[in-house]
Amino acid sequence: AQKVTQAQTEISVVEKEDVTLDCVYETRDTTYYLFWYKQPPSGELVFLIRRNSFDEQNEISGRYSWNFQKSTSSFNFTITASQVVDSAVYFCALSGQNAGNMLTFGGGTRLMVKP
Amino acid sequence: DVKVTQSSRYLVKRTGEKVFLECVQDMDHENMFWYRQDPGLGLRLIYFSYDVKMKEKGDIPEGYSVSREKKERFSLILESASTNQTSMYLCASTPSGALSGAFFGQGTRLTVV
Repeated sequence: AQKVTQAQTEISVVEKEDVTLDCVYETRDTTYYLFWYKQPPSGELVFLIRRNSFDEQNEISGRYSWNFQKSTSSFNFTITASQVVDSAVYFCALSGQNAGNMLTFGGGTRLMVKP
Repeated sequence: DVKVTQSSRYLVKRTGEKVFLECVQDMDHENMFWYRQDPGLGLRLIYFSYDVKMKEKGDIPEGYSVSREKKERFSLILESASTNQTSMYLCASTPSGALSGAFFGQGTRLTVV
């Protein structure tokens, strides 16, 4: 069975602060993929990143960066110099060796960035 | 612009009604999914389909059924709606083979009264 845990249910920061969203996962699969999605107030989930289990390189995309550590089964997401537009619910998800590319989601972290 | 479209943004139904939630994708994806989203629980998989007329139960299929008669359309059916099915429902699709990020619809907020 797969499991994704996002221990932080809600985070509040002031604009320009850096913030890290935690994600811990469990899986027995040797090959798997990890994802982050953003859900703004409009409701639609927006794909941010995919990382496969064989690639532990950290990734940076503008103000966003991701830290994948297989040893601790974690895939954390950092937003640098946060902005009000970053306010959303963020989901971490896992897909293993199953039919249909089924995703298992964490409970989500609501990020509020105040001006 | 690729799209997953859910037929309704908001729905209010009465207890015991039969409810249909429709989802259409225009990307020729093989896999389609129905999730429900509840506060603190994240997204939980109800059913998915990896081909026309094929369906598989997810984590919480009780009280739901699905239909996939055409590749682009995946319907979620609540045979007899109950108040505990009040939730946000999200449809998603992915291509087969490579594990790419799923594309999601805008969601349907269903209230059962």
